[in-house]
Amino acid sequence: AQSVTQPDIHITVSEGASLELRCNYSYGATPYLFWYVQSPGQGLQLLLKYFSGDTLVQGIKGFEAEFKRSQSSFNLRKPSVHWSDAAEYFCAVIKAAGNKLTFGGGTRVLVKP
Amino acid sequence: DAGVIQSPRHEVTEMGQEVTLRCKPISGHDYLFWYRQTMMRGLELLIYFNNNVPIDDSGMPEDRFSAKMPNASFSTLKIQPSEPRDSAVYFCASSSRFGGYTFGSGTRLTVV
Repeated sequence: AQSVTQPDIHITVSEGASLELRCNYSYGATPYLFWYVQSPGQGLQLLLKYFSGDTLVQGIKGFEAEFKRSQSSFNLRKPSVHWSDAAEYFCAVIKAAGNKLTFGGGTRVLVKP
Repeated sequence: DAGVIQSPRHEVTEMGQEVTLRCKPISGHDYLFWYRQTMMRGLELLIYFNNNVPIDDSGMPEDRFSAKMPNASFSTLKIQPSEPRDSAVYFCASSSRFGGYTFGSGTRLTVV
């Protein structure tokens, strides 16, 4: 069965500092990979997705993610965080044969002034 | 496009009552998903539909839960009878194949 692991439950970062959120997946073939963000009391918003091609994917709000097949990882990065980036971030996976999205446990990001 | 529309936004009900959550997907999306989010269990897929047909309901916790999609623009998730442990945020999402899901704002259900 496929699974998604986000090792960090909480991350605290200073405003203006860089951010990297880790995501590892467990699946035999290359899955389709997504990052979503959820602000408090809100639904989930798609930041970016990877299906194939260039392994460095650009998303909205200045985020990017890099697919590394050898490490089964799809880490999310932002060079300089803003206070508005405080939210919960979810990595998710769809296996190629279906359309069922499986989520990681989420990483909550706190931004210090 | 108004996005995925869920109603109500908040629902407070007494244990034993029937609860119906509603969802209008994005026009043209042929997949619809119902998720439940809790602190303890995170985001769980309950059921999903393709072209109005239920494809996988293995996440539906019990027979008290049922979901329908009578047409391409409407779906319901019903809990009867409701229990306090059903308290959660329920999200509906829709997608085209591999298009990435679009989520609604959720329904926060509290069963007292």
